[in-house]
Amino acid sequence: DTAVSQTPKYLVTQMGNDKSIKCEQNLGHDTMYWYKQDSKKFLKIMFSYNNKELIINETVPNRFSPKSPDKAHLNLHINSLELGDSAVYFCASSQMGRAGANVLTFGAGSRLTVL
Amino acid sequence: GDSVTQMEGPVTLSEEAFLTINCTYTATGYPSLFWYVQYPGEGLQLLLKATKADDKGSNKGFEATYRKETTSFHLEKGSVQVSDSAVYFCALTGSNQGGKLIFGQGTELSVKP
Repeated sequence: DTAVSQTPKYLVTQMGNDKSIKCEQNLGHDTMYWYKQDSKKFLKIMFSYNNKELIINETVPNRFSPKSPDKAHLNLHINSLELGDSAVYFCASSQMGRAGANVLTFGAGSRLTVL
Repeated sequence: GDSVTQMEGPVTLSEEAFLTINCTYTATGYPSLFWYVQYPGEGLQLLLKATKADDKGSNKGFEATYRKETTSFHLEKGSVQVSDSAVYFCALTGSNQGGKLIFGQGTELSVKP
């Protein structure tokens, strides 16, 4: 299946720990994103990479570090987790410059709970 | 900066009722406009889009028209089903913004049989 896949789907951890969420897309897209959805369902972009280069960094604490080893993968590493990091994190991808609107395809989300 | 405002939810309707979810936007230039839907426990799926003024996006019985004069992109459906229960997000991408989607706050729709 062509898709954006994220792992893990659920992650429960203690404050202060470090954790990673992985994302892979097999759509051949050149741009990938991380979005955070809070408890009120509000979605906000965190990062975007185009061909492995960071193009969007939206005032996210530097405890969050994205890494894109190739254009099909964008991982999110979070250091020193805090209670406020609890959220659902969505990975997405798109093909920039394609005729028409830039349509994002989203993964199913990774629910992070910090205790 | 660019922004999207949606009507507050939750919205509760009976099956076969008419649906309108209001969406207005603020943007410089000519953004593209989208509606995404999030079913319970799932990621977001594109529902429909419009790329220029007066375009009408449509899918699965849902429609929205890009109105530049009122900066709006209201979502409508003539007859909702229980399976339409979900959270609906209006969104835009602006010019020269690296493709990022700016979302409204989402509107939860619950359809009762």
